[in-house]
Amino acid sequence: QVQLQESGPGLVKASQTLSLTCTVSGGSISSGSYYWNWIRQPAGKGLEWIGHIYTDGRTNYNPSLRSRVTISLDTSENQFSLRLTSVTAADTAVYYCVRDSPQLVLPFDYWGQGTLVTVSS
Amino acid sequence: SSELTQDPAVSVALGQTVRITCQGDSLRIYYASWYQQKPGQAPVVVFYGKNKRPSGIPDRFSGSRSGNTASLTINGAQAEDEADYYCNSRDINGNPPYVFGTGTKVTVL
Repeated sequence: QVQLQESGPGLVKASQTLSLTCTVSGGSISSGSYYWNWIRQPAGKGLEWIGHIYTDGRTNYNPSLRSRVTISLDTSENQFSLRLTSVTAADTAVYYCVRDSPQLVLPFDYWGQGTLVTVSS
Repeated sequence: SSELTQDPAVSVALGQTVRITCQGDSLRIYYASWYQQKPGQAPVVVFYGKNKRPSGIPDRFSGSRSGNTASLTINGAQAEDEADYYCNSRDINGNPPYVFGTGTKVTVL
C-alpha cells in the first residue's frame, strides 16, 4: 500500500520561500509510470493543482504559479519536493502530495494527509 | 484553462438517492473522477472513469456521463456520506493538464 506524507514548516513569512517534502513509502518513486503531484486547498475553498513531476524527472506546472514553482525528485530518499517562492497570504493553504498516472482514465489515487502552511506578514 | 461547475450544496434524506452533477467542456472528451472529502481529511476517490469504483468504496456510489455533464449518484445515502464532493478531469486545453470542480457540499438529513 502506497503512502505519502508531507513535511515542512507550517509557518512561512511573506516574500520568503515555502518548501515542502513528500516522503513516499510502500513503493519506489522511480519505478512504474506515475506523476507525483502537489495540490493545495485554501481553507473553505476548492482544490488547486500546483504541478507535478514524472518518474523520469519531467515537470509541468500550473501556469498561474509557474514563475514561482519548482518540483524536484530525490530518488535516493524516495521523496519529491515543492518550492514556492515569494509567497503571500494567498498561498496560505493545506498542501497535499498526490500520485496519479499518465493514463487518462485513472484518478489521483493516493493522497498525503495534507499539511497546513500559513503565510504570515 | 477550462472550468468544471458543480452545485454548491445539496441535501438528501437518510436512505434516499442524491445525484451530484459536474458540468464542463472537458467532460465531452474525458471522464470525471469523483472525490469525497470529509472535514480535516484528504480527498478520497470514490468513482472514476466510465464505471470504476475503487476497492472499499460502497456500491451505492455510481457515476455516469452525458454530453458535457458528469454525475455521481449515491443510492441510499448514509450519514457517513455527508461530505464535500469534487469532480476532476483532464483539461481540454491541456495547460494546466487538470481541472477540478467547484465542489458540492452534501448534507444527509
